[in-house]
Amino acid sequence: DAGVIQSPRHEVTEMGQEVTLRCKPISGHDYLFWYRQTMMRGLELLIYFNNNVPIDDSGMPEDRFSAKMPNASFSTLKIQPSEPRDSAVYFCASSPGTSGSRVQFFGPGTRLTVL
Amino acid sequence: RKEVEQDPGPFNVPEGATVAFNCTYSNSASQSFFWYRQDCRKEPKLLMSVYSSGNEDGRFTAQLNRASQYISLLIRDSKLSDSATYLCVVSSPGGSYIPTFGRGTSLIVHP
Repeated sequence: DAGVIQSPRHEVTEMGQEVTLRCKPISGHDYLFWYRQTMMRGLELLIYFNNNVPIDDSGMPEDRFSAKMPNASFSTLKIQPSEPRDSAVYFCASSPGTSGSRVQFFGPGTRLTVL
Repeated sequence: RKEVEQDPGPFNVPEGATVAFNCTYSNSASQSFFWYRQDCRKEPKLLMSVYSSGNEDGRFTAQLNRASQYISLLIRDSKLSDSATYLCVVSSPGGSYIPTFGRGTSLIVHP
């Protein structure tokens, strides 16, 4: 089993540029999550999807962030325009749909640096 | 009060020591509890679920105290390879069982 796949693994960009992060969840998992992790704030949930539908995006910091899940095997997180304070590790995770058992499987993360 | 709180540490212990971490949670209706492990520059990975009666997996023991709203993780006979950050995770029905992560407790096991 390939696990959750994320790309790119590292991204260095300049302030103002658009950044697109990609995620392929584990096949058969109904839930997909996007997290951001920094030393200052820890692991923050940005948004999650259930069966490709966004359920809660209250963690998305501002309108510069958007996420889509066009099908069960692919999701993107876009930042436009990017700012230095967006520098962080972005994790995608997926979870099977068993009620009360939200064990999550994380991808390796994308380390984003905005200069 | 934060939903899930952990002592960030670091806990610095010698090989072979026994070390315990606690994690408190604020929602008394919480129903699912987990410990995840995160190595430096890696993703979090499930270490073990925490059951009401307590459970053990080799050198690791997890316990739940619903009355005081905390969970604990005990590591016996610490190994160098146990050095990592341990994340406490709680999920509640009010949040559609979506897990809430603590900030993590850092463990350093030295020779």
